[in-house]
Amino acid sequence: EAGVTQFPSHSVIEKGQTVTLRCDPISGHDNLYWYRRVMGKEIKFLLHFVKESKQDESGMPNNRFLAERTGGTYSTLKVQPAELEDSGVYFCASSQVGGGPQFFGPGTRLTVL
Amino acid sequence: GQSLEQPSEVTAVEGAIVQINCTYQTSGFYGLSWYQQHDGGAPTFLSYNALDGLEETGRFSSFLSRSDSYGYLLLQELQMKDSASYFCAVKGNAGNMLTFGGGTRLMVKP
Repeated sequence: EAGVTQFPSHSVIEKGQTVTLRCDPISGHDNLYWYRRVMGKEIKFLLHFVKESKQDESGMPNNRFLAERTGGTYSTLKVQPAELEDSGVYFCASSQVGGGPQFFGPGTRLTVL
Repeated sequence: GQSLEQPSEVTAVEGAIVQINCTYQTSGFYGLSWYQQHDGGAPTFLSYNALDGLEETGRFSSFLSRSDSYGYLLLQELQMKDSASYFCAVKGNAGNMLTFGGGTRLMVKP
């Protein structure tokens, strides 16, 4: 069974540009989560999808971040415009309906210059 | 608010036993998870405790005491490949979001 995959693995952009991160969860997992780890800090929750619906987006830092999960399969996280403080590793995780352990992808390392 | 405390770094020798502690303060509690992360890799699920007591999975065990808001991860017969960061994480509400500790970097020496 394929795990959670994320694309790209690395992205380097300039301040003010737009970046879109993609996450493909484990097939059949209705729950999809986005987290990020900023340098030197804890992994922090961003938002949670159940299928295509946003269940909890309390961790989204501001309106420059937009997450979508059209069709309830893969998800995208767009940052527009990117700021220096957005640099970090963005993780995606998925879990089965009803909860259970969250399985993480390898992350996308975003660097904003 | 929610916070989890764990040591930032632990060093042990191959073949030894090491315990990584985690204390938490959360507004809600459904369970405590442990994840392992090698540099540049994905956090990998190790264990989940919802009830008090010890859960054993091979060389790894995890313990929870809800009354003490405390848990630990026990790694036995340490191997070099166990060198990694270990994170505790609380599932604090029915919405499933995880709140993570800062991670403990384990270095296993020969």
